[in-house]
Amino acid sequence: EPEVTQTPSHQVTQMGQEVILRCVPISNHLYFYWYRQILGQKVEFLVSFYNNEISEKSEIFDDQFSVERPDGSNFTLKIRSTKLEDSAMYFCASSESQIRTEAFFGQGTRLTVV
Amino acid sequence: AQSVTQPDIHITVSEGASLELRCNYSYGATPYLFWYVQSPGQGLQLLLKYFSGDTLVQGIKGFEAEFKRSQSSFNLRKPSVHWSDAAEYFCAVGAGIGGATNKLIFGTGTLLAVQP
Repeated sequence: EPEVTQTPSHQVTQMGQEVILRCVPISNHLYFYWYRQILGQKVEFLVSFYNNEISEKSEIFDDQFSVERPDGSNFTLKIRSTKLEDSAMYFCASSESQIRTEAFFGQGTRLTVV
Repeated sequence: AQSVTQPDIHITVSEGASLELRCNYSYGATPYLFWYVQSPGQGLQLLLKYFSGDTLVQGIKGFEAEFKRSQSSFNLRKPSVHWSDAAEYFCAVGAGIGGATNKLIFGTGTLLAVQP
């Protein structure tokens, strides 16, 4: 069964460093998403991406964050100058369309900022 | 504002007992509703979804959910729980621009423990 793959599963970084979280969406999917879950809190939408553009983003997704589909298969989330409060589980998801379809989630990357 | 409420943070049931996990939503238009399950160390797996039509929807692993517009609810049920059902369960509503269903707003989750 096709699945969304995220790497690494766990990343530890020092405060102020840049990190790139990587995702390989399901191959025929066209819509891509990032969500995050701070420990003990709910899963929160960050951004949706289609046709090499951001289609929607939350207020969390500020200038510190960026997304990219660099090579037609990977989908990345870059966090510049990480802060302690960026520590969370980050989930990538993808879907065939954005209407009346479900999103398929990866297993997540746990980011720890120290 | 759109929101999802899962009133029960933690539920413990005995194996073989029935289960109902509650979910209430607040959304102005026709909701697109989902239940996801997260096992320890795993990602979010879709159990079932409601877009329209029959208000009782069947999902994987023997789960079902009923959409009740009058109560703004989408409760998840299973007639007989198995030990492998122990996990965290998330209710979500699709709330994207123009009716997009996969900007999801999640509830806080219900952690299910199963006693032997």
